[in-house]
Amino acid sequence: DVKVTQSSRYLVKRTGEKVFLECVQDMDHENMFWYRQDPGLGLRLIYFSYDVKMKEKGDIPEGYSVSREKKERFSLILESASTNQTSMYLCASSPLSSKQYFGPGTRLTVT
Amino acid sequence: AQKVTQAQTEISVVEKEDVTLDCVYETRDTTYYLFWYKQPPSGELVFLIRRNSFDEQNEISGRYSWNFQKSTSSFNFTITASQVVDSAVYFCALRAVIQGAQKLVFGQGTRLTINP
Repeated sequence: DVKVTQSSRYLVKRTGEKVFLECVQDMDHENMFWYRQDPGLGLRLIYFSYDVKMKEKGDIPEGYSVSREKKERFSLILESASTNQTSMYLCASSPLSSKQYFGPGTRLTVT
Repeated sequence: AQKVTQAQTEISVVEKEDVTLDCVYETRDTTYYLFWYKQPPSGELVFLIRRNSFDEQNEISGRYSWNFQKSTSSFNFTITASQVVDSAVYFCALRAVIQGAQKLVFGQGTRLTINP
């Protein structure tokens, strides 16, 4: 079975803190994605990566950055967390041109 | 523009009723894929189905069925004889080429509650 894991299920951080969300997949997938999910807005793509050290902006990249130093790991970074970044964050991976497999999500609260 | 619309924000039915979740999409691509995902209370999105734009055959999988109609740009999902375990948020998605890369564009989701 494909497995996508995220480092935390729940996270509480203070405004201004630097936050790292980690995602690891064990199926050698080329593609990895970070989404945030908010009520009434569905899932919105923050960043994605098609290869190691490669990244592309999604629909809402502002306030976020990413890192993909190894194929299996895709990190989302909030340089200076703000309250409007309180959300559910979902990581996904996929082989080329195939369906995406999602992790369990990280519910981040910024106070 | 690539867009997916799920007009039903929330649906609540009694167990054993049939229920249809609507999905309407917009795309200029001639080749595209449509997906349905289920998100149970645990939070993880579970893949249900993928349909490519060349295949308009309806699909049935147990109590689930999907009706794809290119003429109306719709890809609706029906659950027959619903059960409490079907309670979840359901997302329709379109895989499109945006900025030269393939991305999933999601609808807003429909929260389905099945009451015993």
